[in-house]
Amino acid sequence: EDQVTQSPEALRLQEGESSSLNCSYTVSGLRGLFWYRQDPGKGPEFLFTLYSAGEEKEKERLKATLTKKESFLHITAPKPEDSATYLCAVLLGNNNDMRFGAGTRLTVKP
Amino acid sequence: SAVISQKPSRDICQRGTSLTIQCQVDSQVTMMFWYRQQPGQSLTLIATANQGSEATYESGFVIDKFPISRPNLTFSTLTVSNMSPEDSSIYLCSVGTGAGYGYTFGSGTRLTVV
Repeated sequence: EDQVTQSPEALRLQEGESSSLNCSYTVSGLRGLFWYRQDPGKGPEFLFTLYSAGEEKEKERLKATLTKKESFLHITAPKPEDSATYLCAVLLGNNNDMRFGAGTRLTVKP
Repeated sequence: SAVISQKPSRDICQRGTSLTIQCQVDSQVTMMFWYRQQPGQSLTLIATANQGSEATYESGFVIDKFPISRPNLTFSTLTVSNMSPEDSSIYLCSVGTGAGYGYTFGSGTRLTVV
């Protein structure tokens, strides 16, 4: 069965304290791995797409990496405005089925 | 990327009634997706709506409970029928925005059934 598992469920950081969020997956027919940010009361906002092991993408303080079994979202020197829930999703097969993990709720304290 | 207008943003409904959620996109898209996000949980795909054909429902979701319309390439509705408190959730529509750019989501409809 296709599964996407994110850890930790929640993460509290001090401003400037770098860390990583994990997304592990067991799927067949992976067409892409996506990271989203979701703020309270809003829909998910697209951050990155990764397609193959070894690929990396960066945007400001965020860097996403991909291996054959998992992806990491590295947050360097986070700021309070980085506080949000970060969702990982995989695009499967031929039917555009995007399967989401449960998310990591990140809180960055000043 | 596409801009999605979803409404209502929230509603409180009596059990046994129905609510229709509207999703308007500012560009033509082939596929639109409806998701449910239960409190504290991630998104679950309800159905995929293609213009001119019947929606495709995921396991656990049926057309009688969640009828979907897709009259044109910029608009879709999802109806939550005969509601019960278990239907309390956030409902989101989304569209694909081209290979590699993920999906764009509406801001969601927060539904509370009392």
